[in-house]
Amino acid sequence: DAKTTQPNSMESNEEEPVHLPCNHSTISGTDYIHWYRQLPSQGPEYVIHGLTSNVNNRMASLAIAEDRKSSTLILHRATLRDAAVYYCILRDGYNTDKLIFGTGTRLQVFP
Amino acid sequence: DAGITQSPRHKVTETGTPVTLRCHQTENHRYMYWYRQDPGHGLRLIHYSYGVKDTDKGEVSDGYSVSRSKTEDFLLTLESATSSQTSVYFCAISSGARLGAEAFFGQGTRLTVV
Repeated sequence: DAKTTQPNSMESNEEEPVHLPCNHSTISGTDYIHWYRQLPSQGPEYVIHGLTSNVNNRMASLAIAEDRKSSTLILHRATLRDAAVYYCILRDGYNTDKLIFGTGTRLQVFP
Repeated sequence: DAGITQSPRHKVTETGTPVTLRCHQTENHRYMYWYRQDPGHGLRLIHYSYGVKDTDKGEVSDGYSVSRSKTEDFLLTLESATSSQTSVYFCAISSGARLGAEAFFGQGTRLTVV
């Protein structure tokens, strides 16, 4: 399974944009890039995913590098509720679907 | 919210006893997963299923077994619980990674082995 690398932690102030990076240099052509987040004492929840093009939804934006070896999750205006651990995951679209998590980035948001 | 239910939500058991955790879905999704999460760690995959009676090991499968006799239920069994299996267990479901389908997670089961 292709691996991802994320910083252990990041900080932001409320209402500022947050850019969470993820490196996945061994990504294959059939790997989708998924982001999940886990709020305290809850199960993970889906945030966004993409394959090649940048994606936007109501929660966030996903910017994917042209060579697909890295991506960035963008929270446009951080709120206190966005404080969570964010996981970047690669999911093979055509073969095994083990859904392996890494250690993620713990985002702290300050008022 | 996706229809996924874990039971029990909390359990305390003694070392050496068998324990079964249940994950039930109403979404008819093909894939089901069991994870454990320990303090300060991310989620580690124990076992997963890609169909009825089709299962495979994950990263930390020793001491655990699973069964999936019908689409909606995925059971995780600790044959003889040990203190090292004290953890929070999460179940997840997905229709599959093709087209990038998202996964949905249950609320977790907190298991304490004393």
